[in-house]
Amino acid sequence: DIQMTQSPSFLSASVGERVTLSCKASQNINKYLDWYQQKLGEAPKLLIYNTNNLHTGIPSRFSGSGSGTDYTLTISSLQPEDVATYFCLQRNSWPRTFGSGTKLEIK
Amino acid sequence: QVQLQQSGAELVKPGSSVKISCKASGYTFTSYDMHWIKQQPGNGLEWIGWIYPGNGNTKYNQKFNGKATLTADKSSSTAYMQLSSLTSEDSAVYFCARRQPLDYWGQGVMVTVSS
Repeated sequence: DIQMTQSPSFLSASVGERVTLSCKASQNINKYLDWYQQKLGEAPKLLIYNTNNLHTGIPSRFSGSGSGTDYTLTISSLQPEDVATYFCLQRNSWPRTFGSGTKLEIK
Repeated sequence: QVQLQQSGAELVKPGSSVKISCKASGYTFTSYDMHWIKQQPGNGLEWIGWIYPGNGNTKYNQKFNGKATLTADKSSSTAYMQLSSLTSEDSAVYFCARRQPLDYWGQGVMVTVSS
């Protein structure tokens, strides 16, 4: 199985700050990488698919980039409503595997 | 609008089975695969498998072979997952989610395995 490693595990940042979350795959996943946001007590929500495609209705402050084994989710200007845990998911190989998440809080 | 409505929380005994449901609305049920995901408290997410309701085809994470069985009822636009031989390791929240990428999710079902 492909292992997905997210860093950092926990991040505290200020409102308005630019935030970067990382996801590293144990092998090349050919940009089949999605990002999800999960708020406390809720189901995950799709933010970005195939590395850099913004899902419908997601604010443009969210963006994704990467290739090969290394991928990044960027929030250009952190908002209070962005407090959540963020997961990456690889869809290049079976079984699909998730990262362990980055918990994002407001400083 | 697309909605996935899952059944209620379950408290079940070790060794038993449980069947949870995911009722779809707002789209053509038979045209999109349905995925199932496990989330244990404090842990990450695990992909269990998927079913294509149009023809019943399934694909499972090997880890869940023999543990999870996915079915779908076209007449009621409902997907089901049965979990068997339950142990404490099966205590978790289980989500259904539509297609790939997983664009719509159910609200989750908490399954607690306890005597």
